[in-house]
Amino acid sequence: ETGVTQTPRHLVMGMTNKKSLKCEQHLGHNAMYWYKQSAKKPLELMFVYSLEERVENNSVPSRFSPECPNSSHLFLHLHTLQPEDSALYLCASSSAGAGRAYEQFFGPGTRLTVL
Amino acid sequence: GESVGLHLPTLSVQEGDNSIINCAYSNSASDYFIWYKQESGKGPQFIIDIRSNMDKRQGQRVTVLLNKTVKHLSLQIAATQPGDSAVYFCAEKSRSGGSNYKLTFGKGTLLTVNP
Repeated sequence: ETGVTQTPRHLVMGMTNKKSLKCEQHLGHNAMYWYKQSAKKPLELMFVYSLEERVENNSVPSRFSPECPNSSHLFLHLHTLQPEDSALYLCASSSAGAGRAYEQFFGPGTRLTVL
Repeated sequence: GESVGLHLPTLSVQEGDNSIINCAYSNSASDYFIWYKQESGKGPQFIIDIRSNMDKRQGQRVTVLLNKTVKHLSLQIAATQPGDSAVYFCAEKSRSGGSNYKLTFGKGTLLTVNP
C-alpha cells in the first residue's frame, strides 16, 4: 500500500451520467495530482493541486472538474463524458522536502468505462 | 518542447538474466529523473531516482545510469525475477509555474520475465 486510496476501483457510466472519483492520501502530503492513463500512451497529467490551490490544468475538457476540499482529499467530477474518456485515472500525492523530494505516490487508480 | 520516450515498448528476458530498459529525454534542463514500476492492476511505484549531477545510482538489484550528453537514461535490473514483470516508466521533473514542478512520463516498457 502506498498510502493513497482511490474509490471506486471500477466505474461504468453512460455519456449522460454524472459521477465522481475520490482520492485520499494518508501521508501528510501537500500536493495532489490527477493523471489519465490510456493504452499505449504516456501518463497524461490532468490537474495539480498544491496547498489546496489548483496550480496546473493541462487543457483538460470542462467535462472533467476537479475539487480539492483539503490537503488529504481530491475529487474528479465527471459529466457528459465521451467513450474516448475511458481510461485508468490515477491520483498521486507528493510533498517537497528532504530525500526523494519529487517522488509522487500513486493510488491504484479507477478504471473508467464510458458507454 | 519536453518529451520523454522509451526506445523499446516490450522486453522479454529469462529469469536470472539482467534487464536493461532505456529512456530518452529531450529537455536538457531536466535535473531529476525517476523510474517507476507499474504492476497489473496497481498504480506506478517508485523504484529509484537520480539527480542530474550524478551519472549512476545503485539500489537493491537496480542501477540507473544517466548520460546527459546524449540525454539518455537507463534502468538495469540484475538477476531479473518473475516478480519484476511489469511496465516500467521513466519520468523527468520540470518546472510548472512558480515554485511548482511536474513529472513528465514516458510511454513505458513492458518487461516480461520467463521462468
